[in-house]
Amino acid sequence: KNEVEQSPQNLTAQEGEFITINCSYSVGISALHWLQQHPGGGIVSLFMLSSGKKKHGRLIATINIQEKHSSLHITASHPRDSAVYICAVSSTGNQFYFGTGTSLTVIP
Amino acid sequence: NAGVTQTPKFRILKIGQSMTLQCTQDMNHNYMYWYRQDPGMGLKLIYYSVGAGITDKGEVPNGYNVSRSTTEDFPLRLELAAPSQTSVYFCASSPNPGQIAGYSNQPQHFGDGTRLSIL
Repeated sequence: KNEVEQSPQNLTAQEGEFITINCSYSVGISALHWLQQHPGGGIVSLFMLSSGKKKHGRLIATINIQEKHSSLHITASHPRDSAVYICAVSSTGNQFYFGTGTSLTVIP
Repeated sequence: NAGVTQTPKFRILKIGQSMTLQCTQDMNHNYMYWYRQDPGMGLKLIYYSVGAGITDKGEVPNGYNVSRSTTEDFPLRLELAAPSQTSVYFCASSPNPGQIAGYSNQPQHFGDGTRLSIL
């Protein structure tokens, strides 16, 4: 069993739709990270959070420490949002675990 | 700023050959990491370093070696390439951690990756 589980694995949406990607983890964490991997392979850090909620433009990340769950929301999705979104946690046991990613395709 | 720079971007090796994947960062980050990404799998940590002269094993260190003689550079060496090492390799760096010891809990900055095939 992976320490970090993401759902769904694949997601196709129409432009303008509201998108939610979920992440559950099974270890104690010091922080949770959401990363974006573009089709060309580059990885960009979107959010790092340890409680509550963060917002950057159309992206919103939330975390519930008690439930060991985080969500990444994209409002008014756009084809340029098409990418793989990766959830990762830095654990209190000095390890770093990654989910397998959610592949998002936004259709015009 | 260039950020994290990896070279080469692509490489094909024969079984048993050796090579070094280069990684350099210009952000004065103490923490640096090497990951591999296999199809359908999450990133796996190979080695990491919390500062010049200090390295430690991650989850999948076998078949690899690293060194950290300077803050900027963190090369990854494959001594005897095996087909199982065919993967995409990512180098990353992050600033000093917060109050939590050990792993940095700061955002990581990633290089563009090195696609390595071993035939």
